[in-house]
Amino acid sequence: AQSVTQPDIHITVSEGASLELRCNYSYGATPYLFWYVQSPGQGLQLLLKYFSGDTLVQGIKGFEAEFKRSQSSFNLRKPSVHWSDAAEYFCAVGVRGYQKVTFGIGTKLQVIP
Amino acid sequence: DGGITQSPKYLFRKEGQNVTLSCEQNLNHDAMYWYRQDPGQGLRLIYYSQIVNDFQKGDIAEGYSVSREKKESFPLTVTSAQKNPTAFYLCASSGAGLNTEAFFGQGTRLTVV
Repeated sequence: AQSVTQPDIHITVSEGASLELRCNYSYGATPYLFWYVQSPGQGLQLLLKYFSGDTLVQGIKGFEAEFKRSQSSFNLRKPSVHWSDAAEYFCAVGVRGYQKVTFGIGTKLQVIP
Repeated sequence: DGGITQSPKYLFRKEGQNVTLSCEQNLNHDAMYWYRQDPGQGLRLIYYSQIVNDFQKGDIAEGYSVSREKKESFPLTVTSAQKNPTAFYLCASSGAGLNTEAFFGQGTRLTVV
């Protein structure tokens, strides 16, 4: 069975600073990888996904993620954080697309002025 | 607008009562999912359905039941057998095939008193 580790439960960054949220997965075959964002009391919104091809994936809201097979990682990055990026971010790994998806426990991002 | 609608947003029930959470989608998706979200635990899969009149248990199905009589609808019943039902519940749907992702509803916060 696959698993996902998000090692940082809380991260605080200053507005305008760069951001990297870590995600490591465990799965024997080529994974389907997702990053979702959740504002308080809301549902999840897809930021980006990796299925195959180019390992650097561009998403919405200026986010990108890089799939590194050798490190079993799919870290999320943003060059300059905005106050509106404060939310909880979830990494997920799937088998055959969205089937049998496993979510990480999430990373809560705080943005300070 | 296409999307997933969960209702109600907030729900209060007395201990020992069954309660049904509604989830409707107009995305023409085949698959639908129910997740439970508790602080610090990420999303845990309760039930999922890949086709009408068929559904499978997820990781934490005990104390819950579902039905899938229509493609658009996937209601979740939280029964009195669920030991700790107070939580945030999220419904999602996804298309068929490999290169798909899930779309989420806005969630229902259930409080049992």
